[in-house]
Amino acid sequence: DVKVTQSSRYLVKRTGEKVFLECVQDMDHENMFWYRQDPGLGLRLIYFSYDVKMKEKGDIPEGYSVSREKKERFSLILESASTNQTSMYLCASRFQGNTEAFFGQGTRLTVV
Amino acid sequence: EDQVTQSPEALRLQEGESSSLNCSYTVSGLRGLFWYRQDPGKGPEFLFTLYSAGEEKEKERLKATLTKKESFLHITAPKPEDSATYLCAVQPYGQNFVFGPGTRLSVLP
Repeated sequence: DVKVTQSSRYLVKRTGEKVFLECVQDMDHENMFWYRQDPGLGLRLIYFSYDVKMKEKGDIPEGYSVSREKKERFSLILESASTNQTSMYLCASRFQGNTEAFFGQGTRLTVV
Repeated sequence: EDQVTQSPEALRLQEGESSSLNCSYTVSGLRGLFWYRQDPGKGPEFLFTLYSAGEEKEKERLKATLTKKESFLHITAPKPEDSATYLCAVQPYGQNFVFGPGTRLSVLP
């Protein structure tokens, strides 16, 4: 079974804090993704990575950065959390090409 | 611009009442179409991949079909545990997934 594990299910952080969301996959997938999901807006791509140490901006990268030092791990960083970053964050991974992506369980982040 | 729409936005069925969910897409070139199921507060769970028009995939009470412009997810004799949001995504050539907004399905006992 493919497993994509996100480090936290729920997080509450204060405005201005630096926030780290971690994601680990155990299937040797090349591609990894970070999405956020908001009611009425659907899934929006923040950043993705095709391979180790590679990163590409998605549709909404402002206020975020990422790190991929190892193939199995993809981290999302909120440099200075703001209330409009309150959301459900979803990590996904897949093999290179037109294959299905597998998602983690999600992290519900609340910024107060 | 690549786009995915899903209809209806929400659907209420009685247990055993079969129906279909629609995913319509406009893409420059389709590499694959994917169906996911998402329960409240959880990540999407992969269901099916379809690659070419005429293809069909089945799993328990679910059957997915694909034409050149749309895909259907047919639900036969649904049960309350089939209640979830069903997401459709397409992968255009050379690009990442484009997700639809989802259909929220409720199956009443």
